[in-house]
Amino acid sequence: ETGVTQSPTHLIKTRGQQVTLRCSSQSGHNTVSWYQQALGQGPQFIFQYYREEENGRGNFPPRFSGLQFPNYSSELNVNALELDDSALYLCASSPPDRPRDGYTFGSGTRLTVV
Amino acid sequence: DQQVKQNSPSLSVQEGRISILNCDYTNSMFDYFLWYKKYPAEGPTFLISISSIKDKNEDGRFTVFLNKSAKHLSLHIVPSQPGDSAVYFCAAIDSGTYKYIFGTGTRLKVLA
Repeated sequence: ETGVTQSPTHLIKTRGQQVTLRCSSQSGHNTVSWYQQALGQGPQFIFQYYREEENGRGNFPPRFSGLQFPNYSSELNVNALELDDSALYLCASSPPDRPRDGYTFGSGTRLTVV
Repeated sequence: DQQVKQNSPSLSVQEGRISILNCDYTNSMFDYFLWYKKYPAEGPTFLISISSIKDKNEDGRFTVFLNKSAKHLSLHIVPSQPGDSAVYFCAAIDSGTYKYIFGTGTRLKVLA
């Protein structure tokens, strides 16, 4: 079975621009979560999608938004990029029968805002 | 407000010895705890978990201990191997949610 794949792996954007990050969940997984990991920190929860609906959100401003598609893949969109948005963005998927355990993480997208 | 804390940013252990990684939490509503391992350029990999109704869970070389009264959990790796060298994150889940709250990580180096 394929794992969680994220694209692109690295990205450089200018302050004020918009960015879209993509995630393909593991086969059979219908829940997708996004996390932001700043340098030297643990991953911080951004939001979670289940059956194409957002069903949980962390302390991130509305310029962080997302989508989940019928095939359970997902996008993270960030508008009006700020320097502090530079981080590793991780996508995680989980199966319907083990929603709290067994999160599978992708390798992440390293976003640099200059 | 750091609800999950890993106070040791790094730890070095000799191969074959025990590695003990510690984690403290403040929120008594957390009812499920996990440990993840992360290698450079890879995403975190699930290692072991424990429910708040238990005080110990073992899986091979890895054992997690939970002390609810002290709001403390620890991960024991016995025996430690050089391939265990990675950053270890503890995470907690608030009851009724699926949101992980991660600590800041401990970098473990196992010396051959």
